[in-house]
Amino acid sequence: QVQLVQSGAEVKKPGASVKVSCKASGYTFTSYGISWVRQAPGQGLEWMGWISAYNGNTNYAQKLQGRVTMTTDTSTSTAYMELRSLRSDDTAVYYCARVEYYYDSSGSMRGGAFDIWGQGTMVTVSS
Amino acid sequence: EIVMTQSPATLSVSPGERATLSCRASQSVSSNLAWYQQKPGQAPRLLIYGASTRATGIPARFSGSGSGTEFTLTISSLQSEDFAVYYCQQYNNWPLYTFGQGTKLEIK
Repeated sequence: QVQLVQSGAEVKKPGASVKVSCKASGYTFTSYGISWVRQAPGQGLEWMGWISAYNGNTNYAQKLQGRVTMTTDTSTSTAYMELRSLRSDDTAVYYCARVEYYYDSSGSMRGGAFDIWGQGTMVTVSS
Repeated sequence: EIVMTQSPATLSVSPGERATLSCRASQSVSSNLAWYQQKPGQAPRLLIYGASTRATGIPARFSGSGSGTEFTLTISSLQSEDFAVYYCQQYNNWPLYTFGQGTKLEIK
């Protein structure tokens, strides 16, 4: 079945980096994009960025620019999200999600909704 | 940045009744609007995309409507498993996405 399986929970100290993985199965990896979304304890969903699994193009949320890097390994159908210079307010559950593409009225391919989600990875930043 | 505002923050409804959740965009997002359901300890689940199309496996009691800046998610007859937090999301500004802050649907 179609699924995204993420790596396990992480505990990091302030200033460190974390790299979360997201392994896809059950579909053609390069035919979809991957977005990353995080959720701080008791808070709502925050979109972090998107990567094309086809060509590696990325787009990041402005507030994370310079601290986040998203990559993919098509040989293993795995996406990665690395966040650097961790702070306490980066403590959150991090989700990967599959982005379904569609064609708009002008015939351009665009990203749409997030139809499959990983189970989430808890990242705790604490001294 | 397109800001998505959901109302109310919390909605109390009795099982079997209808629930209506609202989402407003700070500028037009056409029909590029999705709704997600999230239960405690679980990942979000896609309910509606394109403002009104149900995702695979979503029961017919869930319906979405609206376009431009005003959107509604309606649950026609609430079941016990429907009590959760609901988020709207715009993707008109792709590849930049934004979520609303969520509406918690609780049992009255």
